[in-house]
Amino acid sequence: GEEVAQTPKHLVRGEGQKAKLYCAPIKGHSYVFWYQQVLKNEFKFLISFQNENVFDETGMPKERFSAKCLPNSPCSLEIQATKLEDSAVYFCASSQGSEAFFGQGTRLTVV
Amino acid sequence: EDQVTQSPEALRLQEGESSSLNCSYTVSGLRGLFWYRQDPGKGPEFLFTLYSAGEEKEKERLKATLTKKESFLHITAPKPEDSATYLCAVQARNQGGKLIFGQGTELSVKP
Repeated sequence: GEEVAQTPKHLVRGEGQKAKLYCAPIKGHSYVFWYQQVLKNEFKFLISFQNENVFDETGMPKERFSAKCLPNSPCSLEIQATKLEDSAVYFCASSQGSEAFFGQGTRLTVV
Repeated sequence: EDQVTQSPEALRLQEGESSSLNCSYTVSGLRGLFWYRQDPGKGPEFLFTLYSAGEEKEKERLKATLTKKESFLHITAPKPEDSATYLCAVQARNQGGKLIFGQGTELSVKP
């Protein structure tokens, strides 16, 4: 597609439940990035992929967060056993090397 | 440590009142500096990429400039539709393309 598509737009989970977010990158883009926006404008890098391979996972909390980008499927970000502090907007971006183009985000609310 | 600081945090302008937003950065080898616009509830929208000191780029009422330590986003004769949060981000060499964001400048343009 011509834009990065993220689903769902909103997700509400009880503390301890699993959350799974999806991202379809722009067709032809090799790189996918996930960012977490907690406070108003604070973006935190989580993980990046080059095609289906993890490229950089230095921002990923090791214990409860995982991500995948499989061929012919949307990329996914999964949070096991969500905590209140996971409440944030999660953005996916895709790139073909330089400029990154962002999706509209998934707002996760953990109650 | 790579860091981006934007100022001011918020800026209120009257329609037609030109001004500049600042982005100061420290990075271990700049690969690129990016400006994005973010509207409430939306993902960041790409505006400009700057690669080397002295470079300038323009788009409608916006002009971005770059020095070795900072970037400016000049807004000439702004209109109410320019109201948004403007985000600055840097990419460092050998960091796999991830973006390090500043806190953003929230611009409000009153008619």
